[in-house]
Amino acid sequence: GENVEQHPSTLSVQEGDSAVIKCTYSDSASNYFPWYKQELGKGPQLIIDIRSNVGEKKDQRIAVTLNKTAKHFSLHITETQPEDSAVYFCAASRRVDSNYQLIWGAGTKLIIKP
Amino acid sequence: GAVVSQHPSWVICKSGTSVKIECRSLDFQATTMFWYRQFPKQSLMLMATSNEGSKATYEQGVEKDKFLINHASLTLSTLTVTSAHPEDSSFYICSATISNQPQHFGDGTRLSIL
Repeated sequence: GENVEQHPSTLSVQEGDSAVIKCTYSDSASNYFPWYKQELGKGPQLIIDIRSNVGEKKDQRIAVTLNKTAKHFSLHITETQPEDSAVYFCAASRRVDSNYQLIWGAGTKLIIKP
Repeated sequence: GAVVSQHPSWVICKSGTSVKIECRSLDFQATTMFWYRQFPKQSLMLMATSNEGSKATYEQGVEKDKFLINHASLTLSTLTVTSAHPEDSSFYICSATISNQPQHFGDGTRLSIL
C-alpha cells in the first residue's frame, strides 16, 4: 500500500539557519501533500500544502517543493526562530471510496538552538 | 481559518467506564471527520473515517464495538471508548474536512485509564 518516508527523525539547527525536511511517497496517484506542525500536547496544525500540478509553493519563511517524477517533496524553513521548534509531519493523500485519507510520515522533531 | 474544537482535552477515569469525546467544526460544515490515535513520539494512526449520516469506516485492527463513532450532523462527531481499559490510554485526535480540502485538527484528548 501507500507509504510515506520522512527524514530526518530529529533535526537540530542554530537559530537563524535554515531547516529542510524531506519526504518520499510511493503511490503515484497521490496528488495532495500537506505539512503539519505539532506542538507538545496539541493537535497538528496545517502550515503549508501543495498539489501535484505545482512544483513549489512559498509562504513567508516556509516553502514546499514537489518533484512528482522522483516522488519527493520537501519542507524548507528559513531564518528559523525558537517558536519553530516542534514536530513536523508530512503526508500524502490517497482516495479511498469517496474520501481522501492522509498517509503520514513518521515525523521530524525540529530543535532550534538559541 | 477553519476551527475544530475537541472536548474534553484531558480525561482520567476508572477501568471499565465508557468515555465520550466530541469533535466539532465551528465555522464550516464538515462532510467528513477522521479519528486518529497517537502514541508518544509516534505519528498519527487513523482509526476510522466518518461521513455525516453514514456508518463510520474503521481501519483494520480497530474494533468498531470498542470505539463507537457517531456523526449525526455536519458539525459534530463523537467517539465513545466503551469499557475502557489501561491499554486504551492514548492521545485521541479528530480532524474535519470537506471533500478533498485540507484536514483541520482539534487539539486532541488525552485519555488516561486507571
